[in-house]
Amino acid sequence: AQSVTQLGSHVSVSEGALVLLRCNYSSSVPPYLFWYVQYPNQGLQLLLKYTTGATLVKGINGFEAEFKKSETSFHLTKPSAHMSDAAEYFCAVTLGSGSARQLTFGSGTQLTVLP
Amino acid sequence: EPEVTQTPSHQVTQMGQEVILRCVPISNHLYFYWYRQILGQKVEFLVSFYNNEISEKSEIFDDQFSVERPDGSNFTLKIRSTKLEDSAMYFCASQDRGYAEQYFGPGTRLTVT
Repeated sequence: AQSVTQLGSHVSVSEGALVLLRCNYSSSVPPYLFWYVQYPNQGLQLLLKYTTGATLVKGINGFEAEFKKSETSFHLTKPSAHMSDAAEYFCAVTLGSGSARQLTFGSGTQLTVLP
Repeated sequence: EPEVTQTPSHQVTQMGQEVILRCVPISNHLYFYWYRQILGQKVEFLVSFYNNEISEKSEIFDDQFSVERPDGSNFTLKIRSTKLEDSAMYFCASQDRGYAEQYFGPGTRLTVT
């Protein structure tokens, strides 16, 4: 079974500041990891994913995340926050590809960007 | 760019009524999913569907729920007798074979009164 923990249900940063959203996972096998973003009244949009290979993955809108197996973490970062980054961010894990495997989501982190 | 679509965007129904939520997945995708998100809570898996049958289902997906792919394009979620606690945003997702990411639709907000 897999699970995801997102530390901090709400994070506030100033515009231009570093964004750091934390995600830790629990999985019995090597996981595939994702970050999704949800803007108000919209669906879930994939930001980035880690499957295999390079542990630092880059996504859309300047976000990146690093898979650290030893820490069972997949934290999301962005060097400089924009007002448009204000949204809810979900970390998710699945156990593979090529089959109908469910995503398990964290509880989400609401990011507020202050002017 | 291909996208998953869902209809209706908002459905209001009375307790005990049947509802059908519709989804059109991305055309060449083979795996289909329903998730729900109760207001203020995390996104929860309901069911996955492949090769015209259910692959996995969660504890939430009880006998009141069913899924169907009636033709080559639509994927539906039916709730036979809605309860107040079924009020949530329901997301459809689809996935291509061999790829891990799932693509989500915009959701249907179901309100049961």
